[in-house]
Amino acid sequence: AQSVTQPDIHITVSEGASLELRCNYSYGATPYLFWYVQSPGQGLQLLLKYFSGDTLVQGIKGFEAEFKRSQSSFNLRKPSVHWSDAAEYFCAVGLSNQGGKLIFGQGTELSVKP
Amino acid sequence: AAGVIQSPRHLIKEKRETATLKCYPIPRHDTVYWYQQGPGQDPQFLISFYEKMQSDKGSIPDRFSAQQFSDYHSELNMSSLELGDSALYFCASSSGLSYHEQYFGPGTRLTVT
Repeated sequence: AQSVTQPDIHITVSEGASLELRCNYSYGATPYLFWYVQSPGQGLQLLLKYFSGDTLVQGIKGFEAEFKRSQSSFNLRKPSVHWSDAAEYFCAVGLSNQGGKLIFGQGTELSVKP
Repeated sequence: AAGVIQSPRHLIKEKRETATLKCYPIPRHDTVYWYQQGPGQDPQFLISFYEKMQSDKGSIPDRFSAQQFSDYHSELNMSSLELGDSALYFCASSSGLSYHEQYFGPGTRLTVT
């Protein structure tokens, strides 16, 4: 079945430590790939997106993500986490024949220890 | 730059009442998408409109209806509200049925008591 999977429901990292949030998808073709961040009770902010080309994508707030076709993955990374990064992170995919709608993963909640 | 506007931002209704949520897309955007995000859940696609016509439909209850008007704003009408309809409702807009330059609004938080 077609799906977007974020294996980690909750991750805790220390401030200043590196971060990697995992996202895997299960679709026949390479989808469009997105990472969004959501603070409690707030809207969705786009961190970065991948459509084609360079598989390492730079986003806002120091985030980056790498598309790996062989692993059907689009993991989000940040070299040094700040306390303000604590939030919910959603991976989302779009398909070229789906008219622009997004399919979201279950989300990963990030906590940051001082 | 102008963003997607949603109103109201917060809405409290009682069971069996009706609610109307509005979405004003970015100027020159002709496509609107609606999503529902329940507590602790990921956003789920409800319905989309392109050039005032329904373009796709997701897991939208029959009690809900939506439309897009001539000025491209969209309204989501929800009747016979249930407790389970309490959620954050997002709309997003784009130019055409495209992932390019697609933006989300801040959401409307609906609480059904």
